[in-house]
Amino acid sequence: GAGVSQTPSNKVTEKGKYVELRCDPISGHTALYWYRQSLGQGPEFLIYFQGTGAADDSGLPNDRFFAVRPEGSVSTLKIQRTERGDSAVYLCASSPAGDTQYFGPGTRLTVL
Amino acid sequence: AQSVSQHNHHVILSEAASLELGCNYSYGGTVNLFWYVQYPGQHLQLLLKYFSGDPLVKGIKGFEAEFIKSKFSFNLRKPSVQWSDTAEYFCAVNAVGAGNMLTFGGGTRLMVKP
Repeated sequence: GAGVSQTPSNKVTEKGKYVELRCDPISGHTALYWYRQSLGQGPEFLIYFQGTGAADDSGLPNDRFFAVRPEGSVSTLKIQRTERGDSAVYLCASSPAGDTQYFGPGTRLTVL
Repeated sequence: AQSVSQHNHHVILSEAASLELGCNYSYGGTVNLFWYVQYPGQHLQLLLKYFSGDPLVKGIKGFEAEFIKSKFSFNLRKPSVQWSDTAEYFCAVNAVGAGNMLTFGGGTRLMVKP
């Protein structure tokens, strides 16, 4: 079946701009996660949704980052006033509640 | 907060050599443990996982890992590597009862020479 998909695969933006990154989870998976992976490091947790609500957003680095999942399926990660330090691969994962997380291919964000 | 350490950042082996990648975590409670693999140009894929039961876990492609609770370790092993095992390997921990997120190690980049 279809896995987790993320769009766009690559995004180049200028410092100060606003970006949206989209994640389509595996159908039927109630839990959705966002992680960020910087070069040479492992993924770092950002936010976790159970259904429509953000169950844990403790990993969001600051208030420029926000994510939504209005219908309990697709999620959008939104970054305001982007900074060069936001450049990374943003990963989305989904899972049946409390079980193994399946990752998408990621969106590579480059802030110039 | 929990943390995960992978001691080897880069490993180079010849085909047929044995592999062991170290993973240690810091969390005193119950954990779920995972190894993920990322082949060149591909996304993270689950290699194996441990939730409970037999601490020796077998995964795909001949990989296995052993959970040693007293050592807070979950090392990955394979008796004989192949060139196609060239990839980056990530150990990850979920601290049960402390959220559903995974905490990842920094990864080990494995290169297998043909």
